[in-house]
Amino acid sequence: DGGITQSPKYLFRKEGQNVTLSCEQNLNHDAMYWYRQDPGQGLRLIYYSQIVNDFQNGDIAEGYSVSREKKESFPLTVTSAQKNPTAFYLCASSIWQISNQPQHFGDGTRLSIL
Amino acid sequence: DQQVKQNSPSLSVQEGRISILNCDYTNSMFDYFLWYKKYPAEGPTFLISISSIKDKNEDGRFTVFLNKSAKHLSLHIVPSQPGDSAVYFCAAHYTNAGKSTFGDGTTLTVKP
Repeated sequence: DGGITQSPKYLFRKEGQNVTLSCEQNLNHDAMYWYRQDPGQGLRLIYYSQIVNDFQNGDIAEGYSVSREKKESFPLTVTSAQKNPTAFYLCASSIWQISNQPQHFGDGTRLSIL
Repeated sequence: DQQVKQNSPSLSVQEGRISILNCDYTNSMFDYFLWYKKYPAEGPTFLISISSIKDKNEDGRFTVFLNKSAKHLSLHIVPSQPGDSAVYFCAAHYTNAGKSTFGDGTTLTVKP
């Protein structure tokens, strides 16, 4: 089955610690995205990548970092510089540059601070 | 500055009736609009989309209307079913930037 896999489903971070959220897709999509969702709010774009070895800041990139070394993988690191990391994180992918192709989402990772 | 707004956080309708979810946007560069549906603890799933050069797109019980001059779109669900109960996100896409901007979502509850 083609899709996007995010792991882990739940993650806990201690103060001052970096954590990495995994996102893997087998849809052969070029573009991948990371979003953050806070309660009662929409999806805010953290980073996105159009092709391997390239990525762009989204609207709230501060305190996060990403890499895109393989087409199928787009891990997100929440660094200690992110002062309010508790949120629901969603990864998505899509066919690049075809507007009417929607994004396909994983089931998310919920990050909490210990 | 929120470029995509869904002004109704929640909507409750009776089964069999019409559900109308609204979305407003400010950036005239958006060229595609999409609606996603989300259940708790899951990722959003695509529902229906519309190009900025059209004013209506229909797919079964779901119809999206676009009023470009008013920068307003709406999603109509007819007839509404209890399984439609979910959070609905409006998203506006700008092809040249390669990214979508999402609204805050509307929680739809369809009562049996």
